[in-house]
Amino acid sequence: DGGITQSPKYLFRKEGQNVTLSCEQNLNHDAMYWYRQDPGQGLRLIYYSQIVNDFQKGDIAEGYSVSREKKESFPLTVTSAQKNPTAFYLCASSRWGQETQYFGPGTRLLVL
Amino acid sequence: KNEVEQSPQNLTAQEGEFITINCSYSVGISALHWLQQHPGGGIVSLFMLSSGKKKHGRLIATINIQEKHSSLHITASHPRDSAVYICAVRGSGNQFYFGTGTSLTVIP
Repeated sequence: DGGITQSPKYLFRKEGQNVTLSCEQNLNHDAMYWYRQDPGQGLRLIYYSQIVNDFQKGDIAEGYSVSREKKESFPLTVTSAQKNPTAFYLCASSRWGQETQYFGPGTRLLVL
Repeated sequence: KNEVEQSPQNLTAQEGEFITINCSYSVGISALHWLQQHPGGGIVSLFMLSSGKKKHGRLIATINIQEKHSSLHITASHPRDSAVYICAVRGSGNQFYFGTGTSLTVIP
């Protein structure tokens, strides 16, 4: 089945540790996105990538890093520099020039 | 001030009621999206609008470009419609802006 997957669904980490969230899509989409969702707030864009080996910062990129070595994969690393990492993280993808984004199921990160 | 404002924030309805969720935006847009977020967190795209009206089953979405306003209507609401509905717009600079969502609960 075609789709976009994120793993794991829940992730617990100690404060000060880096953690990498996985996002994979087999939709042959060019563009991929990472969003953060906090209670009472709209989705906020962390990073996006329109083609392999290229990515751009979104509104809240500080404390995060990404890579786009393959078209299918866009992992997000939450570094120890991110002050409030506990949140729900959503990955999305879309065709180049197309409006509709397809979302993954999300990863809920809890930093203790 | 958020670029996208939704109302109401929370909505409870009896099964069968007609429901309206509103979205106002303050930026120039190329398109407006209505998204549905299920209790587990997954998000599904319901509509993409750049003008007029679209209908899919019991869902109807309208947009008024001049007034910078969109509405999502649900006819004959059902408990399975319970979810968070999110309005999002793509600005002229290619940026997406998201509303904070409307949490809908439909009671049997």
